[in-house]
Amino acid sequence: EVQLVQSGTEVKKPGESLKISCKGSGYSFTTFWIGWVRQMPGKGLEWMGFIYPGDSDTRYSPSFQGQVTISADTSISTAYLQWSSLKASDTAIYYCARHWYDGTPGGYYYYYMDVWGKGTTVTVSS
Amino acid sequence: SYVLTQPPSVSVAPGQTARITCGGNNIGSKTVHWYQLKPGQAPVLVVYDDSDRPSGIPERFSGSTSGNTATLIISRVEAGDEADYSCQVWDTSSDHPVFGGGTKLTVL
Repeated sequence: EVQLVQSGTEVKKPGESLKISCKGSGYSFTTFWIGWVRQMPGKGLEWMGFIYPGDSDTRYSPSFQGQVTISADTSISTAYLQWSSLKASDTAIYYCARHWYDGTPGGYYYYYMDVWGKGTTVTVSS
Repeated sequence: SYVLTQPPSVSVAPGQTARITCGGNNIGSKTVHWYQLKPGQAPVLVVYDDSDRPSGIPERFSGSTSGNTATLIISRVEAGDEADYSCQVWDTSSDHPVFGGGTKLTVL
């Protein structure tokens, strides 16, 4: 069974750093893009970025570029999302999701998220 | 970037059909995917590629796309279908996924 298991709830103060994790199992971790999606309280989903663990190619949404860092450790099939200095506005649920690719190389292509983790709740408050 | 618009809420009685729309400029030319979100659970892909169902998703879930609107159709709605539903496409101009704002389905 394909699974993504995320790390637990975090409560942090503004200015602190944080790294949350997402461990994949049941599939070849290095051959699928894996990414992060934010859901702020009462809001919709926002795509943050993803990484291809096979070669560490990483892409970010412009909204999150420079705000977070996405990484992966293939030896333990785990992806990470980290902040160097949290803000109260980072309070949200963060989901990891495996991205499925379809389309034509060099032509029309797209991704969708076929497997998700249960989410990590991050609360940033003084 | 590309914008997807969903109604904030849809209500339907058990056994009836729920239709959740997702509006976007010429969305019929894109490939639409739908997710079900319930509190404390992992989101679930319920429809991909406009109208296909992943294994394990009941046949009651279907999708269609035409012109500027994509629709998630849930037939014979059950209490367990109560959830938020979000549509998603890949925005080729920005080269990343875009989600709709989500629709809360209430089963009366």
